[in-house]
Amino acid sequence: EDQVTQSPEALRLQEGESSSLNCSYTVSGLRGLFWYRQDPGKGPEFLFTLYSAGEEKEKERLKATLTKKESFLHITAPKPEDSATYLCAGKGGAQKLVFGQGTRLTINP
Amino acid sequence: KAGVTQTPRYLIKTRGQQVTLSCSPISGHRSVSWYQQTPGQGLQFLFEYFSETQRNKGNFPGRFSGRQFSNSRSEMNVSTLELGDSALYLCASDTGTVNTGELFFGEGSRLTVL
Repeated sequence: EDQVTQSPEALRLQEGESSSLNCSYTVSGLRGLFWYRQDPGKGPEFLFTLYSAGEEKEKERLKATLTKKESFLHITAPKPEDSATYLCAGKGGAQKLVFGQGTRLTINP
Repeated sequence: KAGVTQTPRYLIKTRGQQVTLSCSPISGHRSVSWYQQTPGQGLQFLFEYFSETQRNKGNFPGRFSGRQFSNSRSEMNVSTLELGDSALYLCASDTGTVNTGELFFGEGSRLTVL
């Protein structure tokens, strides 16, 4: 069964303090690894798609990377508005999107 | 461009009742998928519809069903509600391209079962 595990569950950083969120996956026949951001009371918002090991994508202070077993979401010099829950999801040959439990990120000013 | 619209946003039902949730996708999107989000289980895939046909299904009991209309609007139904069905039900739309994970989510319908 396909599985996606995220760590840590929660992370508190000071504004400007860079860090990384981890997403470990076992997805048969990976077709893509996806990152989403979810704010309280809202639906998830798409951030990145990664298709193959070694691929990197960047958007403002966020950079997503992919290896054969993990993906990382690096956040550089975060701001309070980056506070949200970050979700990782994998899609394999079964064409079902499997989500991790998310990392709740809080950036203190 | 209007986003994904879900109605109702909040509802309260009692055990044994049934509920129907509605989703209007982004114009031009032909695929609609449904997810259940709970604090314990996270986001779990329910089913996906494309051009009025169920294209994929998650591991939920038959009490959970859905359909899609010719205008791509979708509904999901839960019959014989149980306390454990209390959750945020999220609908997402996309173009329907295979392998895409770029979904556009609505704000969800929050169901409370008493």
